[in-house]
Amino acid sequence: KAGVTQTPRYLIKTRGQQVTLSCSPISGHRSVSWYQQTPGQGLQFLFEYFSETQRNKGNFPGRFSGRQFSNSRSEMNVSTLELGDSALYLCASSGQGGNTEAFFGQGTRLTVV
Amino acid sequence: GQSLEQPSEVTAVEGAIVQINCTYQTSGFYGLSWYQQHDGGAPTFLSYNALDGLEETGRFSSFLSRSDSYGYLLLQELQMKDSASYFCAVRFGAAGNKLTFGGGTRVLVKP
Repeated sequence: KAGVTQTPRYLIKTRGQQVTLSCSPISGHRSVSWYQQTPGQGLQFLFEYFSETQRNKGNFPGRFSGRQFSNSRSEMNVSTLELGDSALYLCASSGQGGNTEAFFGQGTRLTVV
Repeated sequence: GQSLEQPSEVTAVEGAIVQINCTYQTSGFYGLSWYQQHDGGAPTFLSYNALDGLEETGRFSSFLSRSDSYGYLLLQELQMKDSASYFCAVRFGAAGNKLTFGGGTRVLVKP
């Protein structure tokens, strides 16, 4: 089975721009979660999608949004980028109910300048 | 809300044993997971405890005490490749589909 694929791997954006990150989960997995990882804050939960519906949401501003498609692929979008949004964004997929082991992608390293 | 506490850093020599403790506060607890992350890599799943007791997987073992809201990861016969960050994470929520991570413990293995 192919693992979780995230694109792009690296991204440099300017303050005020917006960005879209993509995640393809493991085949058959319907739950996709997004995390932000920074040295100071660790792994922070952004949101989780299951069957095209946002099921859980973390404590991030509305600039952070996401969606899931019928093939379980997910995208997250960050609008009006701020310097503090520079981070590693990780996507994880889980099996049927989403309450099993989470498999992480390699992440997208976003740098905002 | 949920909170997890684990030490920030541990240093040990090859062949030694390291125990990483994790205490948590959460509602609707489902289980405690452990993940390993090497620098520049993705977190990878190590173990999951839903019930009290010890789970052993090769050189790594994980323990859970739900009454104490406490768990630990035991790394035995440390090898240089075990140098990494280790995260505990709690599964919670109505369907156990929410996962919150601790801040991570950086393990440095010295020769």
